[in-house]
Amino acid sequence: GESVGLHLPTLSVQEGDNSIINCAYSNSASDYFIWYKQESGKGPQFIIDIRSNMDKRQGQRVTVLLNKTVKHLSLQIAATQPGDSAVYFCAENMRNYGQNFVFGPGTRLSVLP
Amino acid sequence: NAGVTQTPKFRILKIGQSMTLQCAQDMNHNYMYWYRQDPGMGLKLIYYSVGAGITDKGEVPNGYNVSRSTTEDFPLRLELAAPSQTSVYFCASSFGENTIYFGEGSWLTVV
Repeated sequence: GESVGLHLPTLSVQEGDNSIINCAYSNSASDYFIWYKQESGKGPQFIIDIRSNMDKRQGQRVTVLLNKTVKHLSLQIAATQPGDSAVYFCAENMRNYGQNFVFGPGTRLSVLP
Repeated sequence: NAGVTQTPKFRILKIGQSMTLQCAQDMNHNYMYWYRQDPGMGLKLIYYSVGAGITDKGEVPNGYNVSRSTTEDFPLRLELAAPSQTSVYFCASSFGENTIYFGEGSWLTVV
């Protein structure tokens, strides 16, 4: 989850298409991962989580995939809607007492009409 | 159930002034956190607390102080504000090392 500076990666998708947002995590010992959605001017909102004993978890219109071999997470959003436009970021639990979560800088999802 | 509540939402400070960001949660979470978020960056942990009376430094604690006298409240104090403290601040809470729930943020500008 290193910073990529002032300009977030942006993903533009057509309304109704599926979106895939990717995240690389840093610690092979991390065993719990969360995806958050952050709309402009608001706090991060929990979307879905997954533990390291799973490869896939599904929610309503969202799926998280975990590939521990290459330390990679992805968030799939089905039938993307205008309300899905936001910054999405992943968090990994480093299991370091209270300093447990490390957050990526995120990807901006822009839904085109 | 309001979740995590932060005040104020917006504040402009002059260099050298002090202020306190208030945070309260009503979920009976034992862990509470303060993060700052700068443009294009991931959330950086300032301070955290694993229970009333216990606080610890995070990644970027310089220039800040916290206290945790109750389970519900976790105020963040800025002493001698500097332009580098211009940022968005998020308070958060969790039950142990599980999902972290965030407040709506406090936008601070130091001029």
